[in-house]
Amino acid sequence: KAGVTQTPRYLIKTRGQQVTLSCSPISGHRSVSWYQQTPGQGLQFLFEYFSETQRNKGNFPGRFSGRQFSNSRSEMNVSTLELGDSALYLCASSLLGLAASETQYFGPGTRLLVL
Amino acid sequence: KQEVTQIPAALSVPEGENLVLNCSFTDSAIYNLQWFRQDPGKGLTSLLLIQSSQREQTSGRLNASLDKSSGRSTLYIAASQPGDSATYLCACRGDSSYKLIFGSGTRLLVRP
Repeated sequence: KAGVTQTPRYLIKTRGQQVTLSCSPISGHRSVSWYQQTPGQGLQFLFEYFSETQRNKGNFPGRFSGRQFSNSRSEMNVSTLELGDSALYLCASSLLGLAASETQYFGPGTRLLVL
Repeated sequence: KQEVTQIPAALSVPEGENLVLNCSFTDSAIYNLQWFRQDPGKGLTSLLLIQSSQREQTSGRLNASLDKSSGRSTLYIAASQPGDSATYLCACRGDSSYKLIFGSGTRLLVRP
Protein backbone atom coordinates (compact mmCIF):
# COMPACT_ATOMS: atom_id res chain seq x y z
CA LYS A 1 0.00 0.00 0.00
CA ALA A 2 1.46 3.36 -1.00
CA GLY A 3 2.19 5.82 1.77
CA VAL A 4 1.19 9.43 2.13
CA THR A 5 2.54 11.54 -0.71
CA GLN A 6 3.06 15.28 -0.79
CA THR A 7 3.78 17.52 -3.74
CA PRO A 8 5.83 19.44 -4.42
CA ARG A 9 8.67 18.43 -2.14
CA TYR A 10 10.43 21.78 -2.35
CA LEU A 11 9.15 25.22 -3.17
CA ILE A 12 10.63 28.70 -3.28
CA LYS A 13 8.31 31.70 -3.27
CA THR A 14 8.62 35.42 -2.62
CA ARG A 15 6.78 37.49 -0.06
CA GLY A 16 3.24 38.37 -1.05
CA GLN A 17 2.77 35.38 -3.32
CA GLN A 18 0.43 32.53 -2.61
CA VAL A 19 1.16 28.81 -2.61
CA THR A 20 -0.84 25.59 -2.84
CA LEU A 21 0.46 22.33 -1.39
CA SER A 22 -1.03 18.92 -2.09
CA CYS A 23 -1.38 15.79 0.00
CA SER A 24 -2.59 12.37 -1.11
CA PRO A 25 -3.49 10.12 1.82
CA ILE A 26 -3.10 6.38 2.07
CA SER A 27 -5.80 4.65 0.07
CA GLY A 28 -8.94 4.29 2.16
CA HIS A 29 -8.00 6.97 4.68
CA ARG A 30 -10.60 9.70 4.99
CA SER A 31 -8.79 12.07 7.34
CA VAL A 32 -5.99 14.43 6.41
CA SER A 33 -4.30 16.71 8.95
CA TRP A 34 -1.81 19.44 8.20
CA TYR A 35 1.10 20.61 10.36
CA GLN A 36 3.73 23.32 10.16
CA GLN A 37 7.21 22.58 11.45
CA THR A 38 9.74 25.34 12.13
CA PRO A 39 12.93 25.38 14.21
CA GLY A 40 11.48 28.03 16.51
CA GLN A 41 7.92 26.81 17.04
CA GLY A 42 8.30 23.11 16.44
CA LEU A 43 5.39 21.12 15.06
CA GLN A 44 2.07 22.94 15.13
CA PHE A 45 -1.35 21.70 14.08
CA LEU A 46 -2.97 23.63 11.24
CA PHE A 47 -6.23 21.83 10.52
CA GLU A 48 -7.88 18.49 9.89
CA TYR A 49 -10.22 17.49 7.10
CA PHE A 50 -12.50 14.48 7.17
CA SER A 51 -14.87 13.55 4.34
CA GLU A 52 -14.39 16.97 2.71
CA THR A 53 -15.22 18.90 5.91
CA GLN A 54 -12.84 20.82 8.11
CA ARG A 55 -13.24 19.22 11.47
CA ASN A 56 -10.72 21.12 13.56
CA LYS A 57 -8.44 24.11 13.23
CA GLY A 58 -5.29 25.30 14.95
CA ASN A 59 -4.30 28.84 15.84
CA PHE A 60 -3.17 30.14 12.48
CA PRO A 61 -4.34 33.26 10.63
CA GLY A 62 -6.93 33.09 7.90
CA ARG A 63 -4.20 33.23 5.26
CA PHE A 64 -3.89 29.51 5.85
CA SER A 65 -6.73 27.55 4.34
CA GLY A 66 -7.39 24.11 3.01
CA ARG A 67 -9.82 21.83 1.36
CA GLN A 68 -10.41 18.17 0.76
CA PHE A 69 -11.75 16.50 -2.34
CA SER A 70 -14.08 13.55 -2.68
CA ASN A 71 -11.11 11.21 -3.22
CA SER A 72 -9.71 12.40 0.16
CA ARG A 73 -6.81 14.26 -1.44
CA SER A 74 -6.25 17.55 0.32
CA GLU A 75 -4.75 20.88 -0.59
CA MET A 76 -3.46 23.59 1.66
CA ASN A 77 -3.22 27.19 0.50
CA VAL A 78 -1.25 30.03 2.03
CA SER A 79 -1.95 33.49 0.68
CA THR A 80 0.13 36.66 1.01
CA LEU A 81 3.23 34.75 2.03
CA GLU A 82 5.45 36.10 4.79
CA LEU A 83 9.06 35.26 5.58
CA GLY A 84 7.88 33.48 8.71
CA ASP A 85 5.87 31.02 6.63
CA SER A 86 9.12 29.30 5.64
CA ALA A 87 8.75 25.85 7.10
CA LEU A 88 8.34 22.15 6.50
CA TYR A 89 4.64 21.46 5.93
CA LEU A 90 3.60 17.95 6.83
CA CYS A 91 0.36 16.16 6.26
CA ALA A 92 -0.85 13.03 7.98
CA SER A 93 -3.63 10.63 7.15
CA SER A 94 -5.66 8.09 9.06
CA LEU A 95 -8.86 6.13 8.66
CA LEU A 96 -11.09 7.94 11.12
CA GLY A 97 -8.94 10.92 12.03
CA LEU A 98 -8.11 12.61 15.29
CA ALA A 99 -11.58 11.91 16.71
CA ALA A 100 -10.50 8.27 17.02
CA SER A 101 -7.47 6.93 18.79
CA GLU A 102 -5.39 5.68 15.89
CA THR A 103 -1.96 6.06 14.38
CA GLN A 104 -1.31 9.04 12.18
CA TYR A 105 0.71 8.32 9.03
CA PHE A 106 2.85 11.22 7.90
CA GLY A 107 4.06 12.19 4.45
CA PRO A 108 7.63 13.34 3.69
CA GLY A 109 6.62 17.01 3.78
CA THR A 110 6.90 20.03 1.53
CA ARG A 111 9.73 22.39 2.36
CA LEU A 112 8.68 25.97 1.62
CA LEU A 113 11.18 28.80 1.49
CA VAL A 114 9.83 32.34 1.33
CA LEU A 115 12.30 34.98 0.13
CA LYS B 1 -3.79 24.91 27.40
CA GLN B 2 -1.80 21.74 26.90
CA GLU B 3 1.98 22.10 26.85
CA VAL B 4 4.31 19.23 26.05
CA THR B 5 7.95 19.27 27.07
CA GLN B 6 10.72 16.87 26.15
CA ILE B 7 13.96 16.60 28.06
CA PRO B 8 16.77 16.35 27.16
CA ALA B 9 16.79 18.31 23.90
CA ALA B 10 19.75 16.26 22.69
CA LEU B 11 21.40 13.04 23.75
CA SER B 12 24.54 11.26 22.59
CA VAL B 13 25.19 7.67 23.68
CA PRO B 14 27.51 4.83 22.64
CA GLU B 15 26.05 1.94 20.73
CA GLY B 16 24.52 -0.79 22.88
CA GLU B 17 23.41 1.47 25.69
CA ASN B 18 19.87 1.39 27.03
CA LEU B 19 18.30 4.83 27.18
CA VAL B 20 15.20 6.69 28.29
CA LEU B 21 13.59 9.69 26.64
CA ASN B 22 11.20 11.82 28.66
CA CYS B 23 7.97 13.59 27.77
CA SER B 24 5.86 15.62 30.17
CA PHE B 25 2.48 17.26 29.64
CA THR B 26 0.64 19.85 31.70
CA ASP B 27 -2.97 18.68 31.27
CA SER B 28 -3.59 15.10 32.36
CA ALA B 29 -6.89 14.95 30.46
CA ILE B 30 -5.38 13.28 27.45
CA TYR B 31 -7.05 10.86 25.05
CA ASN B 32 -3.83 9.26 23.88
CA LEU B 33 -0.12 9.88 23.57
CA GLN B 34 2.02 8.98 20.61
CA TRP B 35 5.75 8.68 20.07
CA PHE B 36 7.19 9.48 16.66
CA ARG B 37 10.59 9.34 15.04
CA GLN B 38 11.79 11.91 12.53
CA ASP B 39 14.89 11.52 10.40
CA PRO B 40 16.57 14.71 9.12
CA GLY B 41 14.47 16.46 6.49
CA LYS B 42 11.87 13.71 6.53
CA GLY B 43 8.35 13.18 7.75
CA LEU B 44 7.37 11.47 10.98
CA THR B 45 7.14 7.74 11.57
CA SER B 46 4.78 6.56 14.27
CA LEU B 47 6.49 4.32 16.84
CA LEU B 48 3.95 3.70 19.57
CA LEU B 49 0.49 4.92 20.52
CA ILE B 50 -0.68 4.63 24.12
CA GLN B 51 -4.38 4.97 24.91
CA SER B 52 -5.23 6.98 28.02
CA SER B 53 -6.39 3.78 29.74
CA GLN B 54 -3.09 1.99 29.11
CA ARG B 55 0.11 2.09 31.13
CA GLU B 56 2.54 0.99 28.45
CA GLN B 57 3.08 -0.24 24.92
CA THR B 58 5.92 -2.29 23.49
CA SER B 59 7.28 -2.77 20.00
CA GLY B 60 10.54 -4.63 19.56
CA ARG B 61 13.27 -2.78 21.43
CA LEU B 62 10.96 0.09 22.24
CA ASN B 63 8.78 0.45 25.31
CA ALA B 64 6.66 3.48 26.07
CA SER B 65 5.00 4.11 29.42
CA LEU B 66 2.30 6.55 30.42
CA ASP B 67 1.52 8.00 33.84
CA LYS B 68 -1.39 10.39 33.42
CA SER B 69 -1.54 11.41 37.05
CA SER B 70 2.02 12.73 36.99
CA GLY B 71 1.77 13.99 33.40
CA ARG B 72 4.68 11.93 32.16
CA SER B 73 5.59 9.44 29.47
CA THR B 74 8.89 7.74 28.82
CA LEU B 75 10.26 6.00 25.77
CA TYR B 76 12.75 3.27 26.60
CA ILE B 77 15.11 2.11 23.85
CA ALA B 78 16.99 -1.09 24.58
CA ALA B 79 20.39 -1.93 23.12
CA SER B 80 20.61 1.24 21.05
CA GLN B 81 22.02 1.10 17.50
CA PRO B 82 23.41 3.80 15.18
CA GLY B 83 20.25 3.40 13.09
CA ASP B 84 18.26 4.69 16.05
CA SER B 85 19.81 8.12 15.55
CA ALA B 86 16.94 10.51 14.85
CA THR B 87 14.72 13.05 16.56
CA TYR B 88 12.06 11.55 18.79
CA LEU B 89 8.83 13.45 19.33
CA CYS B 90 5.92 12.82 21.63
CA ALA B 91 2.44 14.19 21.00
CA CYS B 92 -0.73 14.30 23.08
CA ARG B 93 -4.31 14.40 21.94
CA GLY B 94 -6.57 15.96 24.54
CA ASP B 95 -9.85 14.50 25.72
CA SER B 96 -11.89 17.32 24.22
CA SER B 97 -9.49 18.63 21.61
CA TYR B 98 -9.14 16.87 18.29
CA LYS B 99 -5.59 18.00 17.65
CA LEU B 100 -2.13 16.67 18.41
CA ILE B 101 0.12 18.83 20.58
CA PHE B 102 3.77 18.04 20.00
CA GLY B 103 6.81 18.37 22.18
CA SER B 104 9.94 19.94 20.74
CA GLY B 105 11.68 16.59 20.46
CA THR B 106 14.86 14.89 21.66
CA ARG B 107 17.66 14.62 19.11
CA LEU B 108 19.38 11.27 19.65
CA LEU B 109 22.80 10.31 18.35
CA VAL B 110 23.99 6.74 18.83
CA ARG B 111 27.75 6.56 18.28
CA PRO B 112 29.23 3.36 16.75
